[in-house]
Amino acid sequence: AQSVTQPDIHITVSEGASLELRCNYSYGATPYLFWYVQSPGQGLQLLLKYFSGDTLVQGIKGFEAEFKRSQSSFNLRKPSVHWSDAAEYFCAVGAESGYSTLTFGKGTMLLVSP
Amino acid sequence: DVKVTQSSRYLVKRTGEKVFLECVQDMDHENMFWYRQDPGLGLRLIYFSYDVKMKEKGDIPEGYSVSREKKERFSLILESASTNQTSMYLCASSPVGTGGLGGYTFGSGTRLTVV
Repeated sequence: AQSVTQPDIHITVSEGASLELRCNYSYGATPYLFWYVQSPGQGLQLLLKYFSGDTLVQGIKGFEAEFKRSQSSFNLRKPSVHWSDAAEYFCAVGAESGYSTLTFGKGTMLLVSP
Repeated sequence: DVKVTQSSRYLVKRTGEKVFLECVQDMDHENMFWYRQDPGLGLRLIYFSYDVKMKEKGDIPEGYSVSREKKERFSLILESASTNQTSMYLCASSPVGTGGLGGYTFGSGTRLTVV
């Protein structure tokens, strides 16, 4: 069965500092990997996704993520955090087959300090 | 702008009531999903559907049922609401293709409180 681990429940970053959110997945074949963001009281918005090809993927809002098969990781990064980035971030994994569903991690809450 | 619309943002129901949560998407997506979200537990899949009148159980289907009579509408039903069903409920849809994972579009959620 597929699974996702986000080791950090909360992270606090100063505005303007760099950010890395960790995600480790467990899946036997080639995974499809996603990062979503959820602002307070809202649904989830897709930031970026990885299916194949270049292991460094660019997303919206200046985010990027790198797929590392050897480490079973898909960490999310941003070079300079803005106060508006404060939100909860979810990593998700899905299978290559036609009718699979996504499995989500438990989320990482990002707090941005002035 | 494409949308997934959940009929209620906040709902308060009494224990034992039958509760309907409605979700409508305007993107002609084949796939629709219901998740519940609880602090510290992330998103857990309740039910999903790949076609009209078709449904599949997710990880936590107990106490829930679903209905999909039309492609655009996917309803979650709590047959007899209980306090442990107090949660945020999120509906999502996605197209078929790329393994069915073209990316989910989520609704804004319904925060249900059962008293």
